[in-house]
Amino acid sequence: DSGVTQTPKHLITATGQRVTLRCSPRSGDLSVYWYQQSLDQGLQFLIQYYNGEERAKGNILERFSAQQFPDLHSELNLSSLELGDSALYFCASSPNPGTGELFFGEGSRLTVL
Amino acid sequence: DQQVKQNSPSLSVQEGRISILNCDYTNSMFDYFLWYKKYPAEGPTFLISISSIKDKNEDGRFTVFLNKSAKHLSLHIVPSQPGDSAVYFCAASPYGGATNKLIFGTGTLLAVQP
Repeated sequence: DSGVTQTPKHLITATGQRVTLRCSPRSGDLSVYWYQQSLDQGLQFLIQYYNGEERAKGNILERFSAQQFPDLHSELNLSSLELGDSALYFCASSPNPGTGELFFGEGSRLTVL
Repeated sequence: DQQVKQNSPSLSVQEGRISILNCDYTNSMFDYFLWYKKYPAEGPTFLISISSIKDKNEDGRFTVFLNKSAKHLSLHIVPSQPGDSAVYFCAASPYGGATNKLIFGTGTLLAVQP
């Protein structure tokens, strides 16, 4: 158990819909990261928040947005969903942004039909 | 353009033998490299890392080798155990391990046969 909690574990929805994925980082970790893993792809970095502020952006689509709340949990919002958005979405947290060591949640599997 | 490549999607090894997982990178700015392991239905977990100032780092049964001139790193597992069966991702960072700059490979599925 990494200490990072993600909900929901599985989600099935239709094209054009909007979903929200939730993440609670490990106790004490201020940084939260979102990654996307599509079929046969590596983990693609989407966005990082540090203590409520956006710190870095990766290959995140404009249809996607995220935020980190004062209690440090984070939400990833995916809108106008397309078939290609079907993927595993991982949240990770880290105690120190400089070590490279991330603690990942179990992921949320999104299926868009 | 994939900057971190794991060209072997899968590898099968007998229990007790050595497992060698390979990773190639293209960006010469990468200076910190990591391996993560992932079991089904779980998130990746950190396994071992190496800085570009070293060419080898060892942790128990796991050793990572870095060949900067070849832009190649490898993970050796000796001896391999059935519990090592998982997907292994290599990752690289151009900023000494900055976690928001990690670039991951596509992973290699290791199967250790009893």
